[in-house]
Amino acid sequence: QSVLTQPPSASGTPGQRVTISCSGSSSDIGSNYVHWYQQLPGTAPKLLIYSNHQRPSGVPDRFSGSKSGASASLAISGLQSEDEADYYCAAWHDSLNGPLFGGGTKLTVL
Amino acid sequence: QVQLQESGPGLVKPSETLSLTCSVSGGSIGSRSYFWGWIRQPPGRGLEWIGSIYYSGSTYYNPSLKSRVTISVDTPKNQFSLQLSSVTASDTAVYYCARLTGLDSYSWGQGTLVTVSP
Repeated sequence: QSVLTQPPSASGTPGQRVTISCSGSSSDIGSNYVHWYQQLPGTAPKLLIYSNHQRPSGVPDRFSGSKSGASASLAISGLQSEDEADYYCAAWHDSLNGPLFGGGTKLTVL
Repeated sequence: QVQLQESGPGLVKPSETLSLTCSVSGGSIGSRSYFWGWIRQPPGRGLEWIGSIYYSGSTYYNPSLKSRVTISVDTPKNQFSLQLSSVTASDTAVYYCARLTGLDSYSWGQGTLVTVSP
């Protein structure tokens, strides 16, 4: 398995709550931390959630992460137009000694 | 706060070797706590891990690229490098260098676009 599995797209209206899932295996998500990145067009990925549920300073508490077994989720509450972006999950893979990434989820704010 | 900066040619001809260097500041590449690696993102596509190197020089590569990739480290210069051989148009991407660990978040460079074209 070369990538973690994310839905290719998600959408919601302003103010709504949306969740993005990320599934892997016992060798990656199941035994390591999950991180989430937000990528706006033309920019480098920005760390949104680290170590499953921690938020870097400056990230609004509208963003939250969780993990259960070999799956993880990113939740965005109070959806805003500026949240429209691509979202990627990442987790270390024990035997590869490198990170695996999800294929990315394009979030559209309707 | 560690900072990473990629450098190298922005244009490479097909069948040639792509070479990039990552300069690290604010942290030692000899640290036993981290791996140092390369990640790429083709235009309009997702992120792909290319490979990692440990302070000892041990290397780990994405199986899909393993036959073409070499990552090396220059400890005195606090730099590490990527070589990708026999490139094709599908290797056109933004290439990021990063400090990697299984125990915490990753630190990234700003990325550099490499285009493969005649």
